Amino acid sequence: RKEVEQDPGPFNVPEGATVAFNCTYSNSASQSFFWYRQDCRKEPKLLMSVYSSGNEDGRFTAQLNRASQYISLLIRDSKLSDSATYLCVVIRMDSSYKLIFGSGTRLLVRP
Amino acid sequence: NAGVTQTPKFQVLKTGQSMTLQCAQDMNHNSMYWYRQDPGMGLRLIYYSASEGTTDKGEVPNGYNVSRLNKREFSLRLESAAPSQTSVYFCASSPNSNQPQHFGDGTRLSIL
Repeated sequence: RKEVEQDPGPFNVPEGATVAFNCTYSNSASQSFFWYRQDCRKEPKLLMSVYSSGNEDGRFTAQLNRASQYISLLIRDSKLSDSATYLCVVIRMDSSYKLIFGSGTRLLVRP
Repeated sequence: NAGVTQTPKFQVLKTGQSMTLQCAQDMNHNSMYWYRQDPGMGLRLIYYSASEGTTDKGEVPNGYNVSRLNKREFSLRLESAAPSQTSVYFCASSPNSNQPQHFGDGTRLSIL
């Protein structure tokens, strides 16, 4: 089992839809969490951090459930420009290399 | 503000050739990383350098070597390229190893 797991998708949604992705992690030593966005053939870019109390950045909401060991990303009012792969990233403190990337969830927003 | 700069952006090699991928960051970050990403797959860590003067193997180090030349630069060397090393290579840096990473725009490497 991978340490960080994501549904690969693709999620195919119409413009204006609300879509949610989950990411599960297996190592309870995980301490910090992030969502990255990667456009086709481009580098990953940090989208937002995920805080314990949940946080919002415009149309994007991230939440953390430590008890069930998952994080989520909610995108409201989807835009065509939201089409990308969303990578879940977990930081764990019990090894020298700390950032673990999920394989990503692909989102396609159609007109 | 360049961030993380990788050179070259594209390269085609023949099997058995060697080459070095260059990476430099201007953000005064302590930690630097090399990843490869293959079609339909996630990022796989090749090597990382938590701080200047240290390097460690990641998930897929075989066939590669690295040099942390100074705080700014972290190079990746393929001593004898193989077709299985055809991939997109990303360099990244972060302030420290427990903070999110900033990525370069990648090197697309094909080995024939």
